[in-house]
Amino acid sequence: QKEVEQNSGPLSVPEGAIASLNCTYSDRGSQSFFWYRQYSGKSPELIMSIYSNGDKEDGRFTAQLNKASQYVSLLIRDSQPSDSATYLCAVTRDGGGADGLTFGKGTHLIIQP
Amino acid sequence: DTGVSQNPRHKITKRGQNVTFRCDPISEHNRLYWYRQTLGQGPEFLTYFQNEAQLEKSRLLSDRFSAERPKGSFSTLEIQRTEQGDSAMYLCASSPADQPQHFGDGTRLSIL
Repeated sequence: QKEVEQNSGPLSVPEGAIASLNCTYSDRGSQSFFWYRQYSGKSPELIMSIYSNGDKEDGRFTAQLNKASQYVSLLIRDSQPSDSATYLCAVTRDGGGADGLTFGKGTHLIIQP
Repeated sequence: DTGVSQNPRHKITKRGQNVTFRCDPISEHNRLYWYRQTLGQGPEFLTYFQNEAQLEKSRLLSDRFSAERPKGSFSTLEIQRTEQGDSAMYLCASSPADQPQHFGDGTRLSIL
């Protein structure tokens, strides 16, 4: 059974600091990896996608992938109160991300002003 | 804004009734997905369409659930004989080929 594990938190980070969110997955055949942000009562919003080992940066966000360790992470630099949300890690076997996603339960992030 | 549109936003119904939800994907997105999310959990995949073809169904999609995408555009998800355990947020997502999925605002179902 495919599983995606995340620490549910809450993870509390001071404003301006780096928030580090982690995710492990069980299916070694996973090819595509995504981070979604979900505000309370809202739908998931795509933050980052990553498909190959290493780092991918987009503004204040950096995704890191290590397929050998089956580990994905998301770093948020210069954290802002507006970053307070639940962050969902999602994976799929399809290289183009076409199949149904398997999500973790999410990490609740709180940025303290 | 031409994002994924879902209707209704909220549905309250009595146990045993049938309900139907609609999803209009982003135009030109040929892939459409349905998920279910309960409180404190991540979304769970239900089913996936490429154009009008239903290509994958989760074992979560019991025989009380049926989804259609007759013309490869909008999709409907029907739940027959609703049960208390069906209470959840039903999310629709769409994507073009080989691109990440984008979600609609969801339909929140409450079973009395």
